Amino acid sequence: AQSVTQLDSQVPVFEEAPVELRCNYSSSVSVYLFWYVQYPNQGLQLLLKYLSGSTLVKGINGFEAEFNKSQTSFHLRKPSVHISDTAEYFCAVSPGGYQKVTFGIGTKLQVIP
Amino acid sequence: DAGVTQSPTHLIKTRGQQVTLRCSPKSGHDTVSWYQQALGQGPQFIFQYYEEEERQRGNFPDRFSGHQFPNYSSELNVNALLLGDSALYLCASRGTGREQYFGPGTRLTVT
Repeated sequence: AQSVTQLDSQVPVFEEAPVELRCNYSSSVSVYLFWYVQYPNQGLQLLLKYLSGSTLVKGINGFEAEFNKSQTSFHLRKPSVHISDTAEYFCAVSPGGYQKVTFGIGTKLQVIP
Repeated sequence: DAGVTQSPTHLIKTRGQQVTLRCSPKSGHDTVSWYQQALGQGPQFIFQYYEEEERQRGNFPDRFSGHQFPNYSSELNVNALLLGDSALYLCASRGTGREQYFGPGTRLTVT
């Protein structure tokens, strides 16, 4: 079985400052890793994914994440946030194939003007 | 190209009633998964359908059932509704790629 831990439930950050949202996972097999964003009253949108290869993954809206196998982490970063980045962010893991995706409880990013 | 669509957007039901939620996958996608997202929580996997059969199931009681049609659209049925079934129900579809695409969800309120 897989599990995901998002270490911060809420992260306030000033506009144009950098941000890191932390995610750790647990799995006995190799996994695929994802970050999704959810804006209020909307579904989930895929930000980026790690399947294999380079451990630094770039996604949409200027976000990137780094896969660290030894630390079982997949932290999400953005060098300069914008007001429009205010949303909830979910880290997710899947063992691959057509296996189910397991989500963390989410981190609310609040960008302060 | 339309993405994943779900209907209805909102629904209010009474305890003990039954509800049916609908999902149309993204064009070209043949696998549909359903998730329950309670307030303040991450999505929880309910089940997945492929070729009109339930392929995987999460830790949900038999009150939760589903169906997939030949055109790949899907329904989620919940019987004997409980207050705790109040949540956002998300449908996700995938094709040959590894990522899922989510619909906007159906907000179910049980009173």
